Amino acid sequence: KQEVTQIPAALSVPEGENLVLNCSFTDSAIYNLQWFRQDPGKGLTSLLLIQSSQREQTSGRLNASLDKSSGRSTLYIAASQPGDSATYLCAVKRTGTASKLTFGTGTRLQVTL
Amino acid sequence: EAQVTQNPRYLITVTGKKLTVTCSQNMNHEYMSWYRQDPGLGLRQIYYSMNVEVTDKGDVPEGYKVSRKEKRNFPLILESPSPNQTSLYFCASSSLAPTTDTQYFGPGTRLTVL
Repeated sequence: KQEVTQIPAALSVPEGENLVLNCSFTDSAIYNLQWFRQDPGKGLTSLLLIQSSQREQTSGRLNASLDKSSGRSTLYIAASQPGDSATYLCAVKRTGTASKLTFGTGTRLQVTL
Repeated sequence: EAQVTQNPRYLITVTGKKLTVTCSQNMNHEYMSWYRQDPGLGLRQIYYSMNVEVTDKGDVPEGYKVSRKEKRNFPLILESPSPNQTSLYFCASSSLAPTTDTQYFGPGTRLTVL
């Protein structure tokens, strides 16, 4: 059974810092991995989708990497801003199944002024 | 605007009173799914649908029903709600085409069962 872990559970950084969020998964037979952002009381917004054949994806100040063999992904946020404060979730889609996603429990990020 | 909508956004009800949470998407997606989110447990899949009239159980289907009579709609039905179904519910949809299967989520429905 796939298990997804995100460490740390919470993180507070001053504005302007670069930071890395971690995601690990137990079964390397994944189809893709997706990073989401969730604001309090809101739904999930997709940030980046990495296919199993890819090593990284970039969007603006965000860069996500994937190392399938070691069961790890990282989300790098450059020059953090207070508006980046949210919970970040990673989710993996298993190979050969329907589009079910297995989620981690998230990292709650606070960027302070 | 491409979106997934859910109604109601907030609902307080009592044990045993049947309720339906609606979900609709305007992206012509084949795949739709329901998740619940609970503190410390993350998001867990309840049911999913690959297309019209095709539904299947997720990880936590007990106490829930779904139907998919139209491609755009995927309602979640609680025939006899119980307090342990108090949760935040999300509907999601995606294309099944490879490399374009980003999942889009609705805004969530916060359900309280007394």
